[in-house]
Amino acid sequence: DAGVIQSPRHEVTEMGQEVTLRCKPISGHNSLFWYRQTMMRGLELLIYFNNNVPIDDSGMPEDRFSAKMPNASFSTLKIQPSEPRDSAVYFCASSFFGTSNQPQHFGDGTRLSIL
Amino acid sequence: GENVEQHPSTLSVQEGDSAVIKCTYSDSASNYFPWYKQELGKRPQLIIDIRSNVGEKKDQRIAVTLNKTAKHFSLHITETQPEDSAVYFCAAEDFGNEKLTFGTGTRLTIIP
Repeated sequence: DAGVIQSPRHEVTEMGQEVTLRCKPISGHNSLFWYRQTMMRGLELLIYFNNNVPIDDSGMPEDRFSAKMPNASFSTLKIQPSEPRDSAVYFCASSFFGTSNQPQHFGDGTRLSIL
Repeated sequence: GENVEQHPSTLSVQEGDSAVIKCTYSDSASNYFPWYKQELGKRPQLIIDIRSNVGEKKDQRIAVTLNKTAKHFSLHITETQPEDSAVYFCAAEDFGNEKLTFGTGTRLTIIP
């Protein structure tokens, strides 16, 4: 049973460059979440989708961040232009939203370093 | 919005003893409470969850209790082992919006 798959696992780039993080949710899950984790701010929800539609993007820091979910098996989180303060671990999670709460399952994360 | 507070931030326990981590939440509409374990450099992994229609749930050495009136829930780990060392996060979710609000985490260290 493949879990949530994220790529790349590590990304090091210079400030000002565009960064694209990718996520493949668990097959059959209809909700997808993007989180950012830092020592200072802990785990923050950036945006989540249900049935490929963005439901809540109130956690997206600013216009430099954008996320898309073109189909049920793929999502991207893009940062353009990137800044050093964007350095963090970015997690994608998925769940099945139905008649009761279901747990979110996390991917292994992308460790992003902006120089 | 929901606010989840978690205590303590660090906890050291002798191997074989019990560990208890406590969380409080602010939104009475929250009805789902998962706990995640995160080892260094790894992803958060669900270890146990509880819904608001039950007061306690147990899975081997791990148990969670929920007091809806007081709006607090706790994680209990008995007979602790070195592999229990990790950061533990509690979270709360309102079924209506599917958003998980996480606590700030507890770094648990098991002393051999």
